Order: sequence, then structure tokens, then C-alpha cells
Amino acid sequence: GAVVSQHPSWVICKSGTSVKIECRSLDFQATTMFWYRQFPKQSLMLMATSNEGSKATYEQGVEKDKFLINHASLTLSTLTVTSAHPEDSSFYICSATSQGAGDTIYFGEGSWLTVV
Amino acid sequence: QKEVEQDPGPLSVPEGAIVSLNCTYSNSAFQYFMWYRQYSRKGPELLMYTYSSGNKEDGRFTAQVDKSSKYISLFIRDSQPSDSATYLCAMSAVGEYGNKLVFGAGTILRVKS
Repeated sequence: GAVVSQHPSWVICKSGTSVKIECRSLDFQATTMFWYRQFPKQSLMLMATSNEGSKATYEQGVEKDKFLINHASLTLSTLTVTSAHPEDSSFYICSATSQGAGDTIYFGEGSWLTVV
Repeated sequence: QKEVEQDPGPLSVPEGAIVSLNCTYSNSAFQYFMWYRQYSRKGPELLMYTYSSGNKEDGRFTAQVDKSSKYISLFIRDSQPSDSATYLCAMSAVGEYGNKLVFGAGTILRVKS
């Protein structure tokens, strides 16, 4: 089946620094990738939708200057958390799908970010 | 009112029991329905995917969709301790949402041996 890989799985960074998380589709071309945030014991909160070659569409309340999303190719999207603060500590998950409404969406394994 | 309602549980059952997990939704535009399983500190794993009313079976799992009632279910037969996880329903619509998923809150399932 399709595989979506995220890297790193775990990252600890100092407050004020930036951290980049990669999301790769390994065996299909992902025209659309989604970035989610999940707090403990809560459901996934969609942050933004990323289409290859175009600017990401952010959900209401998500700071686009803080959470930079780049989808430079059909197999790679990146999320950069800029000037991270402890409240940015969370589980970040990406998902990817191929073109066409209704195509299956596959999730990455997630990336745990801890800002100290 | 949330677009997708799901009882967060936790739901605790003995090994071998039949588990019923449910979601209701309010947006009649939703056409595609999915169930994901999420183990602690892991990404969601797709279990079932369906787009029509009726039942779809895969091994011990059966997904049921009733579009007229805006109600979906996931049944797990012969539940195992390894089924202990959070189960998330998700759905999407064509047009406005494209492939954007709307998730339920997730139901925590605990299967006791």
C-alpha cells in the first residue's frame, strides 16, 4: 500500500529556533498534502492544505508566518515551525493523496516536537 | 454543533466481544467515509474506506454507512487486546472540501484480555 514518511519522528529544539519537518510520499505522486496538529487525547486539527507548486491554504486561526509550508515537488512537503515556543510543542502529522476527490488519504507516522 | 460527532469513550470490552463504534454527521455533502486506527504516539492508520450506503467487510472489520440517517459505524468482531487504540471516523465531500477530511473526536477502545 501507499506509504507516507515523516522525518524526524522526534525533535527537541530550543525556544526561539526554527525546526523543519518533512513529509514524503514514497510510492505515489501526492498532488495534495495536508498538515495536522494533534494535542494529547484530542483529535487531529487541520492546519493547512498544500498543493504542489502553489501556496498552502491555511485554516482559520493558523499563523501562516509561523508555520511555513512548502510543497516543492509531488513527493515532498515541508512544515517549518519558525521561532518556536513551548506552546508549539505538539504532535504534527501529514497526510497525502493523489489527484481526484475521493482518493484515499494516507497518513505519515507523525512528528513529535518538544520546544524547551 | 460539530460537523462530525463521535463519542470519545473510553469504551472498555472483554476480549472476543463485538465492538460497535459510531459517528453522526450533519453535512449531507459528505460522500466519502473512512475509519482510522491510531495507536498512542503514532500516526493514523487507514482501516476502512467507503463511499456508498451499506456495509463493507474486511476481515474482522465491517463499516456501515447510512446516508439517510447521516450515521456511520465500525464493527469489530472477535476483538483482541491489540485492537486497543483510538478509532477516528473521518469524512470528506467533493467540491468545497475536495479531499479535506473532517474528523470525529476519536473513540478510545480498550480490549481487556
